[in-house]
Amino acid sequence: DGGITQSPKYLFRKEGQNVTLSCEQNLNHDAMYWYRQDPGQGLRLIYYSQIVNDFQKGDIAEGYSVSREKKESFPLTVTSAQKNPTAFYLCASSSPGRTEAFFGQGTRLTVV
Amino acid sequence: DQQVKQNSPSLSVQEGRISILNCDYTNSMFDYFLWYKKYPAEGPTFLISISSIKDKNEDGRFTVFLNKSAKHLSLHIVPSQPGDSAVYFCAASAGDMRFGAGTRLTVKP
Repeated sequence: DGGITQSPKYLFRKEGQNVTLSCEQNLNHDAMYWYRQDPGQGLRLIYYSQIVNDFQKGDIAEGYSVSREKKESFPLTVTSAQKNPTAFYLCASSSPGRTEAFFGQGTRLTVV
Repeated sequence: DQQVKQNSPSLSVQEGRISILNCDYTNSMFDYFLWYKKYPAEGPTFLISISSIKDKNEDGRFTVFLNKSAKHLSLHIVPSQPGDSAVYFCAASAGDMRFGAGTRLTVKP
């Protein structure tokens, strides 16, 4: 089955620790995206990548880092510099031509 | 600075009537617009999209209208069904993809 997979679904970390969220897709999509959703709010763009080995900052990139070494994978690291990391994180991918993006099921990160 | 805005946080409609969800954008570079439906703790599900070269796209009960001069798009759902109750997000793309804050639609039986 083709799709986009985020793991884990729930993640708990202690304050001050870096944590990496996984996002894998087997849709052969070139573009991948990371969003953050806080309760009662919309999706805010953290980083996006339109091609392997290239990525751009979104609106709230501070405290986050990404890599795009493979077409299928776009991991997001939440660093200790992120002031309020507790949120619901969503990864998406799309094919060239800016068509619809497919989303993963999300990772809920809780920092205690 | 929010580039995509949904100014109505909620909308309540009677079953069988029309639901109209609105969205405004500020970046004239956006050339593709999308609507998504989302349930809590899940990823958004794509509903319908429209390219900037069109002003209307229809798919079953869902129709999206684009007014480029006003930088405004809307989603019409006719007839509305209780199963349509969810949060609806509009999104706009210029290589990236930015979302509005969402509108919670409630369709009452």
